[in-house]
Amino acid sequence: GAVVSQHPSWVICKSGTSVKIECRSLDFQATTMFWYRQFPKQSLMLMATSNEGSKATYEQGVEKDKFLINHASLTLSTLTVTSAHPEDSSFYICSARETRGYGYTFGSGTRLTVV
Amino acid sequence: DQQVKQNSPSLSVQEGRISILNCDYTNSMFDYFLWYKKYPAEGPTFLISISSIKDKNEDGRFTVFLNKSAKHLSLHIVPSQPGDSAVYFCAANRRTFGNEKLTFGTGTRLTIIP
Repeated sequence: GAVVSQHPSWVICKSGTSVKIECRSLDFQATTMFWYRQFPKQSLMLMATSNEGSKATYEQGVEKDKFLINHASLTLSTLTVTSAHPEDSSFYICSARETRGYGYTFGSGTRLTVV
Repeated sequence: DQQVKQNSPSLSVQEGRISILNCDYTNSMFDYFLWYKKYPAEGPTFLISISSIKDKNEDGRFTVFLNKSAKHLSLHIVPSQPGDSAVYFCAANRRTFGNEKLTFGTGTRLTIIP
């Protein structure tokens, strides 16, 4: 079946630094990828939708200058958390929408801890 | 505004019995519903889905029921197995409107008691 690889699985960074998270669709092309954030014991909250070759669409309240999304190819999308602060510590998950069919495949998530 | 709600944060079921997880939604424009299973520190895994033109979809031990008039869907797992212990999320979107965004519920933690 469809597989989405997300790296790193966890990262610890210092406050003020930037962190890049990669999301790759391994055996299918994904014209659309989604980035979610999950706080402990809460639901997955959609941050942004990225379409290959175009600018990402951010949800209300999500700072586009802080959470930079790049979807340069049909198999790769990246989320860069810029100037990270402790409140950005969270679990980030990407999802890829298969070009054919209606499936959504999720990555394994990235635990970001900002100290 | 929580458009998809799972009012039971947790549920415990004896192994071999039926697990019933419930989900309610408020947006009548949703036309496609999905259930995901999630372990801690992992991404969600797709279980089963249903289109709004149906009221039931079955796949092995998993059955999803949709009651559009009540804006309610449920996931039945029978028989329940220890490996089913996880957090279950329902999700919805407006596929026919070209909206691919999934809106997730708050999740229900299912514990299967051996």
